[in-house]
Amino acid sequence: AQSVTQPDIHITVSEGASLELRCNYSYGATPYLFWYVQSPGQGLQLLLKYFSGDTLVQGIKGFEAEFKRSQSSFNLRKPSVHWSDAAEYFCAVRTGTASKLTFGTGTRLQVTL
Amino acid sequence: DTAVSQTPKYLVTQMGNDKSIKCEQNLGHDTMYWYKQDSKKFLKIMFSYNNKELIINETVPNRFSPKSPDKAHLNLHINSLELGDSAVYFCASSQALAGETQYFGPGTRLLVL
Repeated sequence: AQSVTQPDIHITVSEGASLELRCNYSYGATPYLFWYVQSPGQGLQLLLKYFSGDTLVQGIKGFEAEFKRSQSSFNLRKPSVHWSDAAEYFCAVRTGTASKLTFGTGTRLQVTL
Repeated sequence: DTAVSQTPKYLVTQMGNDKSIKCEQNLGHDTMYWYKQDSKKFLKIMFSYNNKELIINETVPNRFSPKSPDKAHLNLHINSLELGDSAVYFCASSQALAGETQYFGPGTRLLVL
């Protein structure tokens, strides 16, 4: 069965510092991969997605992610974090023909000023 | 203008009651979903409907009954509410044939006392 692992439960970075959130997946076929962000008390907003092609994908709010098949990873990066980026970040993989999304457990990002 | 909307936003009720959550999307999508987010922020799919037909049912107790009167609506009815049903319930939609991105509603925060 497919699974998604986000090894970091909680990360704290200083504003202006770079950020990398880790995501590893387990799935037999080529996955469709997503990163969503959830601000406190809000719904989920799509940051970016990977279906095929260029393994480095750009998203909204200055985020990017790189798909590495050899490492089964899809890490999220941002070169300079803003205080407004503080939120919960979820990696997800779409599997099967029924568009089922399997989510990781999330990484909570705290940004210090 | 809201793409995926849910009502109510908050729901506080007593154990044993029956309640419904409504979801509407104006994106013209043909697939809709219900996800449950527990107190540890873990997101798990419950149901998925495509063109009003149930296609995913993730071993959810039969106290939960989704109903899709048309492609733009997917409601969730919960009978005999239990303490463990307290969670945030998210509705989502996607165009299953044209793309894989799921768009999420703002969530309904259910508290069972």
